[in-house]
Amino acid sequence: SQQGEEDPQALSIQEGENATMNCSYKTSINNLQWYRQNSGRGLVHLILIRSNEREKHSGRLRVTLDTSKKSSSLLITASRAADTASYFCATDAGRVQGAQKLVFGQGTRLTINP
Amino acid sequence: DGGITQSPKYLFRKEGQNVTLSCEQNLNHDAMYWYRQDPGQGLRLIYYSQIVNDFQKGDIAEGYSVSREKKESFPLTVTSAQKNPTAFYLCASRARGLSYEQYFGPGTRLTVT
Repeated sequence: SQQGEEDPQALSIQEGENATMNCSYKTSINNLQWYRQNSGRGLVHLILIRSNEREKHSGRLRVTLDTSKKSSSLLITASRAADTASYFCATDAGRVQGAQKLVFGQGTRLTINP
Repeated sequence: DGGITQSPKYLFRKEGQNVTLSCEQNLNHDAMYWYRQDPGQGLRLIYYSQIVNDFQKGDIAEGYSVSREKKESFPLTVTSAQKNPTAFYLCASRARGLSYEQYFGPGTRLTVT
């Protein structure tokens, strides 16, 4: 089942601008992760935020989490052409029989125009 | 170089044929996963394995089979029973314990005609 819903589905901005993507989910989570996928490639882990955290930074990335609204946002500041990719949120609701099962959203396609 | 390899990158098959996708990792990870991705969509879990000789069905296991005879390898067979097999297939692995991050291979694009 697709727990994460991402918004917008596609985003096109100019280089140097900030990009914000949102993710909503339905059930309680242990943590929420963001991944990036370049066209035709595998996913790369960007950042993880735990359920007891509200904000986390990593370089030009800022992630927020609001568990009361069951939502998260990913902000990429000072965007670059190389940031062009699809971005996915993935929720981790904890172990099921000891196994981690991530549930991925449908992704936001980000295009950075030079 | 440590990582996950998937081969081949592109695979073409005729309808009615079984096909096996390879996934190998040298990260010494215990858990491995297979996902399917359709155009413009997110990832859906097919099968996962926590340890050698053990695996569980994910959300869309029908028409697929796996084996986990070695820690490093988790091949996926797409059988003729899979009604719509054309897709991008991604393999991932994760270290044991409290690690949460999954590491992904480059993917195999399967086209069945």
